Amino acid sequence: EDQVTQSPEALRLQEGESSSLNCSYTVSGLRGLFWYRQDPGKGPEFLFTLYSAGEEKEKERLKATLTKKESFLHITAPKPEDSATYLCAVRANRDDKIIFGKGTRLHILP
Amino acid sequence: EAQVTQNPRYLITVTGKKLTVTCSQNMNHEYMSWYRQDPGLGLRQIYYSMNVEVTDKGDVPEGYKVSRKEKRNFPLILESPSPNQTSLYFCASSLTPGQPQHFGDGTRLSIL
Repeated sequence: EDQVTQSPEALRLQEGESSSLNCSYTVSGLRGLFWYRQDPGKGPEFLFTLYSAGEEKEKERLKATLTKKESFLHITAPKPEDSATYLCAVRANRDDKIIFGKGTRLHILP
Repeated sequence: EAQVTQNPRYLITVTGKKLTVTCSQNMNHEYMSWYRQDPGLGLRQIYYSMNVEVTDKGDVPEGYKVSRKEKRNFPLILESPSPNQTSLYFCASSLTPGQPQHFGDGTRLSIL
């Protein structure tokens, strides 16, 4: 069964303290891995798409990487406005479903 | 402005009273989805549609119906709502399932 697992469930960091969020997946042929950010009361907002192992993408303080089994979202010198829930999703090979992980709630303390 | 519009944003209703949540997108996207989001369970796909008149079950389709008669609209229908369908619902669209999705602002549904 296709599965996406995110860890940790929640993370509290001091402003400026870099860290990484993990998304591990077991799917029958990956056809895309997506990272989204979700603020309270809002719909998810797209951050990155990764398609093949070794691929990396960057945007401001965020960098996403992909291996054959997992993806990392690295946050460098975070600021309080980076506080949000970060969601990982995958599209498997065998159909057109999108499967989301349960998310990581990130809280950056000033 | 590119957007996905859901209505209503909030609804409190009673068990068994049929309801429809509308979803419309203005980006000419082929792929549209409905999700429910519950604490501790994350976002789960209910139904998706690859194009007009083409719909498929996601991971939690029981108790829901959808239709795709026009490209821009993808309504979610609860024929006989039950309390376990109380949840936050999101509609999303993308050019293809391999492209990033645009999400609506959500519909908070309470079934008493």
